[in-house]
This record gives sequence, C-alpha cells and structure tokens, in this order.
Amino acid sequence: DAMVIQNPRYQVTQFGKPVTLSCSQTLNHNVMYWYQQKSSQAPKLLFHYYDKDFNNEADTPDNFQSRRPNTSFCFLDIRSPGLGDAAMYLCATSRVWGSANEKLFFGSGTQLSVL
Amino acid sequence: QKEVEQNSGPLSVPEGAIASLNCTYSDRGSQSFFWYRQYSGKSPELIMFIYSNGDKEDGRFTAQLNKASQYVSLLIRDSQPSDSATYLCAVKNIYNQGGKLIFGQGTELSVKP
Repeated sequence: DAMVIQNPRYQVTQFGKPVTLSCSQTLNHNVMYWYQQKSSQAPKLLFHYYDKDFNNEADTPDNFQSRRPNTSFCFLDIRSPGLGDAAMYLCATSRVWGSANEKLFFGSGTQLSVL
Repeated sequence: QKEVEQNSGPLSVPEGAIASLNCTYSDRGSQSFFWYRQYSGKSPELIMFIYSNGDKEDGRFTAQLNKASQYVSLLIRDSQPSDSATYLCAVKNIYNQGGKLIFGQGTELSVKP
C-alpha cells in the first residue's frame, strides 16, 4: 500500500546530541512537510519541500534543518536538541502546494525524547 | 487571539449520543476546513473536509461550516467508544498561507459505554 513511513517510531537522544529523523513516501507526492506537535498542543509546521524547493517557516529555530535527497525521502536534523524539543514529529505529504482542497497524508510520527 | 481555537475538553458523551465539536478561526479569507482524528500517541487521520457553507455528511459524521460566523463544527452521531480521541480542526487560506494547514490544539472526546 502507498503510504508515508517514519522511522524510528520512538527516538531517545541526549541533550545537545545531534539526531536525525527520517520519512519516506511511496505516494510520489511533490510536497513533504515536517510538523512538530508537543503534548496537548496543535501541530506546528516547521518547513516543507515542494520538489527540491525548501521553505522554512519564519519562526522555526535554526537548530532544525531538513534534507530531501530525492522525491521519496525527507530528513529532519536537530543539531543540538534541547529539553524543549521533546515532541512528536510528524511527516506529511501532499500532491501539490497551494490547492484549497488538497489533503495531507501523515506518517505515524516519531516521538522524540531528550534526556 | 489564536488562529484556530477549539475547546480542549474533555468532552464526555454517553455511547449512542451525538457529540458536537466546535472550532472558530480568525482568518476570514480561509477557504477550506479539515477535521482530523488523533488517537493518543498516533498521527492525525483525516475524517472530513469542507469548503462550502452548510452541511456535509459522511456516514456518522457531519461537518458544518458558517463562514460569516467563522465557525466550523463536527457532529458525530451514534457515538462509539472507539470514537474516543482528540479531534483537530485545521484551516487553510491558499492566498496568504499557500498550502499551509493551521491546526487548532484539538478537543478531546471521551465516549462512555
């Protein structure tokens, strides 16, 4: 089945130790997104790729970076995780950007803990 | 003011009752509105979307949109314990936000057997 896959499901890292979360998709969608969701809060968009074009949200900390080496894969790099970065990280895809009725397809998420 | 506001709940309803979930939004130019269900520790899954004023029905779910009042709601008929989850409202304005979905914090629904 076509889907959005995130690995790992749970990730534990140490304060300040770089960590990378991965996302892959078999939907062949053009757009890939990374959302951060802290406990009992709304998912917050960090950035998105439209094909190879990277788009950063204005309030996304510099500590967060992303790579999209090809259509199928997208990575979230956290250079120096702090305790406040503990959250669920959600990868999502859509066919296009900027269409009113375009739906997002979410992966299962990676729950990041920072010790 | 938050861009998308929802009562965090918990909203508790008995099995078989109608659950009514509400959402208000601040951007009057928003065109499309989405309801996602999120079980604890899981990712959001799309239930319905709506972009015209009025009601849209899909099985036990009805989405209602009132753009003049900047209000969107989700009704769940014949609520089941398996409906217990957090329901996220999300809004999109393609003219000033592109494809960005802006989420509310969600309403926790608990359906009691």
